[in-house]
Amino acid sequence: QQQVKQSPQSLIVQKGGISIINCAYENTAFDYFPWYQQFPGKGPALLIAIRPDVSEKKEGRFTISFNKSAKQFSLHIMDSQPGDSATYFCAASRTAGNKLTFGGGTRVLVKP
Amino acid sequence: GAVVSQHPSRVICKSGTSVKIECRSLDFQATTMFWYRQFPKQSLMLMATSNEGSKATYEQGVEKDKFLINHASLTLSTLTVTSAHPEDSSFYICSALSEVSYNEQFFGPGTRLTVL
Repeated sequence: QQQVKQSPQSLIVQKGGISIINCAYENTAFDYFPWYQQFPGKGPALLIAIRPDVSEKKEGRFTISFNKSAKQFSLHIMDSQPGDSATYFCAASRTAGNKLTFGGGTRVLVKP
Repeated sequence: GAVVSQHPSRVICKSGTSVKIECRSLDFQATTMFWYRQFPKQSLMLMATSNEGSKATYEQGVEKDKFLINHASLTLSTLTVTSAHPEDSSFYICSALSEVSYNEQFFGPGTRLTVL
């Protein structure tokens, strides 16, 4: 059972554009929602994370929006750059430090 | 800070042999580490949770006798793939939990295992 559904599977955006990735979860016990960036042949790196007590969190060009009632959260990458081309994973866990359940991933390609 | 290393980065072995992968937290202690497997163009699948000084907790469907995990110290966890077969070829990634960093998981660079 896939507990975290991520869409789209792939995304092409022009340089300077906005990349939007969406995730939906089923387990209402989840209360920690991180996003990871992974380059080919490398391990994932934490980009930004949110907890349900806030609806939005911004760090630089990356913003998470969180909708608790809809059980959805999304990542917005503003002013997308070619260096942002990577695979992005959303994840969820029951508090930080517990095992993570990952979404299926979104391959983002930013065209110059 | 919060660097996790894995060794080796790549390994090629013959079918039937065993392979050991090391995961080290270089600048912090980690009571808990996690092992993931990632097939090409797929997501990370948790294999097991490794706790220092105790037995690992395996996810459903993961053979504990095939994937041996030892977390002998607060900075080292090892995954041994026993009697490896071609279907075990995958990208194995570990992560270490940093309690001083709000329980964030820091991931290693991964180990590419190819079984011939």
